[in-house]
Amino acid sequence: AQKITQTQPGMFVQEKEAVTLDCTYDTSDQSYGLFWYKQPSSGEMIFLIYQGSYDEQNATEGRYSLNFQKARKSANLVISASQLGDSAMYFCATSSYNAGNMLTFGGGTRLMVKP
Amino acid sequence: DVKVTQSSRYLVKRTGEKVFLECVQDMDHENMFWYRQDPGLGLRLIYFSYDVKMKEKGDIPEGYSVSREKKERFSLILESASTNQTSMYLCASSSYGPGTAMYGYTFGSGTRLTVV
Repeated sequence: AQKITQTQPGMFVQEKEAVTLDCTYDTSDQSYGLFWYKQPSSGEMIFLIYQGSYDEQNATEGRYSLNFQKARKSANLVISASQLGDSAMYFCATSSYNAGNMLTFGGGTRLMVKP
Repeated sequence: DVKVTQSSRYLVKRTGEKVFLECVQDMDHENMFWYRQDPGLGLRLIYFSYDVKMKEKGDIPEGYSVSREKKERFSLILESASTNQTSMYLCASSSYGPGTAMYGYTFGSGTRLTVV
């Protein structure tokens, strides 16, 4: 079984500053994936970034980067140059290839960007 | 543009009613999932399906059932709605096979169900 822990229920960040959202995971799988999704107030889940467990380099997608520390089982999301539109819920998730790529989600972090 | 479509965005039902939530995907994905989302609890898996006519219980299946008669459609059924089933319901689909792990899920826009 897999478990995802997001320890920050809510966070504030000043516009244009960088912010790190924490995520730790627990899995017995040798091969797995790590995902971050964004959910604005409208409710849709938006895929942000993916990291494979065997990828040696941290994933980056525009202003998003994933700080992957495999030994610590940590997959923190870093958002650079925060924008007001980044205010949303953010969910970390891990996939199990052995279970048909099923995702297990954390409890989420609500990010609020201050102007 | 590939999509997962949930039939209703907002739904209000009475206690004891039978409720159907419909989800359709046009990506020929094998896997489909139903989650409910509640504040502080994240997304919890209700049921999932790896193939037509196949279903598996997730973490919180009590009070729910599902139907998958066609590959593109996965229905969630509340046999007798109760107030504690008031929640946001999210449908998702995914592919499975070599090279697909990185794509994760494609989600529908969600159905906010209120049971009164």
